[in-house]
Amino acid sequence: AQTVTQSQPEMSVQEAETVTLSCTYDTSESDYYLFWYKQPPSRQMILVIRQEAYKQQNATENRFSVNFQKAAKSFSLKISDSQLGDAAMYFCAYRNRGSTLGRLYFGRGTQLTVWP
Amino acid sequence: GAGVSQSPSNKVTEKGKDVELRCDPISGHTALYWYRQSLGQGLEFLIYFQGNSAPDKSGLPSDRFSAERTGGSVSTLTIQRTQQEDSAVYLCASSLKGRENSNQPQHFGDGTRLSIL
Repeated sequence: AQTVTQSQPEMSVQEAETVTLSCTYDTSESDYYLFWYKQPPSRQMILVIRQEAYKQQNATENRFSVNFQKAAKSFSLKISDSQLGDAAMYFCAYRNRGSTLGRLYFGRGTQLTVWP
Repeated sequence: GAGVSQSPSNKVTEKGKDVELRCDPISGHTALYWYRQSLGQGLEFLIYFQGNSAPDKSGLPSDRFSAERTGGSVSTLTIQRTQQEDSAVYLCASSLKGRENSNQPQHFGDGTRLSIL
């Protein structure tokens, strides 16, 4: 079974600084997708960034980038130039590719605080 | 609407009562998912609907939980004889095809916060 582990329950960062959130996963599959979702107090899960496992190039979305290490089964999120609006719970998620069941497997989340 | 709509936003009920939670997915999205988020936990998969196929109910925690999706659109999650451990945020998500296009992201609603007294 696939599992996703986020070892940092809480992280904090100064505004304009850079922070990295860690995520590891366990799977026997060779092809899959990885996601980072953000959940502000409004509860809505917002997709931040996604990565296809067959792509070696790390995904980037503006200030957000990932460090995908397939062999190590690691998928960390780097937030550059942190902003107050980045404060939220961040969830790492995994999804099989081509699976008949497109469910996501989530980690327990990392609560990010951004200090002014 | 433009996004996934869930109602009610909050629900407080007494232990033993039945509750119904509603999800209206994004128009055109054939895949619909229900997840449960307990305090301090990640999201726990409950059930998945794909088009007119039989739903995958493998995540439902007990036979008190059921869900249906009428006309391939709106879905209702029903919890019978609620227990205090059912207290959680119930999130619904939808996406384009859940199979061939499994890279299509899931779009989430704002959830229903269920509190069992």
